[in-house]
Amino acid sequence: EVQLVESGGGLVQPGGSLRLSCAASGFTVSSNYMSWVRQAPGKGLEWVSVIYSGGSTYYADSVKGRFTISRDNSKNTLYLQMNSLRAEDTAVYYCARAVYTGGWYFDLWGRGTLVTVSS
Amino acid sequence: QSVLTQPPSVSAAPGQKVTISCSGSSSNIGNNYVSWYQQLPGTAPKLLIYDNNKRPSGIPDRFSGSKSGTSATLGITGLQTGDEADYYCGTWDSSLSWVFGGGTKLTVL
Repeated sequence: EVQLVESGGGLVQPGGSLRLSCAASGFTVSSNYMSWVRQAPGKGLEWVSVIYSGGSTYYADSVKGRFTISRDNSKNTLYLQMNSLRAEDTAVYYCARAVYTGGWYFDLWGRGTLVTVSS
Repeated sequence: QSVLTQPPSVSAAPGQKVTISCSGSSSNIGNNYVSWYQQLPGTAPKLLIYDNNKRPSGIPDRFSGSKSGTSATLGITGLQTGDEADYYCGTWDSSLSWVFGGGTKLTVL
């Protein structure tokens, strides 16, 4: 079955760090563009980061310099290392697969993992 | 504030038709394809429309998409109570980032 399963969320203090994982099955992470998208409580979707199949990475301005997206090809897993966390980073974090067929879109989403930044 | 502008909410009666607009600029919608996502309460987003007007397998033809210039529209006909959800438009932006609309909450009265 083709699916994405996130893990690693939890409660962390402001200024702390957390690493999210997204295990993929049914397809190869390294052959696809993979993204993280987050949703603060009661708010809309916010794109966070993308890693291209070639390894290039891009970030939203709100997380640039604090978050790092990466992947482990041997584990077929996507990661998001989050440092210097702030209260405004509190959100459900989704990993998603991006597909190109003329335009880009996210065709597969995980169920998400909740990150709460609070003292 | 989102780069793409959507109405916060729309509503219509069961069986009726509703449209949801998504307004952007030449740096995003004007030069890229638009996709739409449905998020049912308490669940992850789900792809509804891609490449402006294409439906993934399994999405009924009650859902349609269109694009003109720097705006896009999602249409839903034959509304059902199960369509109550938040709907988001999204596209790539020339600033090398993906942008979403703020979301529209659909209420089926």
